[in-house]
Amino acid sequence: DTGVSQDPRHKITKRGQNVTFRCDPISEHNRLYWYRQTLGQGPEFLTYFQNEAQLEKSRLLSDRFSAERPKGSFSTLEIQRTEQGDSAMYLCASSLGVPAGELFFGEGSRLTVL
Amino acid sequence: AQSVTQPDIHITVSEGASLELRCNYSYGATPYLFWYVQSPGQGLQLLLKYFSGDTLVQGIKGFEAEFKRSQSSFNLRKPSVHWSDAAEYFCAVGARRGSGNTGKLIFGQGTTLQVKP
Repeated sequence: DTGVSQDPRHKITKRGQNVTFRCDPISEHNRLYWYRQTLGQGPEFLTYFQNEAQLEKSRLLSDRFSAERPKGSFSTLEIQRTEQGDSAMYLCASSLGVPAGELFFGEGSRLTVL
Repeated sequence: AQSVTQPDIHITVSEGASLELRCNYSYGATPYLFWYVQSPGQGLQLLLKYFSGDTLVQGIKGFEAEFKRSQSSFNLRKPSVHWSDAAEYFCAVGARRGSGNTGKLIFGQGTTLQVKP
């Protein structure tokens, strides 16, 4: 399967711990996006990369959140000092970056903060 | 600011009946519009999109949607629903920047579709 893959699929952590999620996009896609989805809500945009450059960050992305895409391939999303409000599904998507290009989503990484 | 409203949080239809899911958007110009479907444990899958041109767009799995500029709507329809269509459906709007889509999508809160046998 050559779709978008995310790891881990589920992470349970205690409040105050750091967590890191990884996303491997479709190989030829130059754009990569992170979204957050809470129960009963639609996905909320967090940030996106074009190649290795982070071009936009949402105000939702507090200082405790950092995302990288060091070589323009896979990306990591780190959350430091997790809070219970961080519990959500973190979705990664990639695209070719053409006009009206489709975003291909991974299955998500579910974070539960106890 | 861009926004998307899906007025119906939950809809139940009988198998074989027709379906219409509503979507209204707020955007200063003609946006890109999308419908995605999310099944339990699955990633979001694109059903269809509107970019320009014909306002009636066809998608996968027998779905279609109509862009109505005057109503700021992009409602999703299917003439005959199958039990496998039970899922959560999201309408999304994409911003244009210059000649392209930045890819950033604003999603509605979703509509959960339940199909009765």
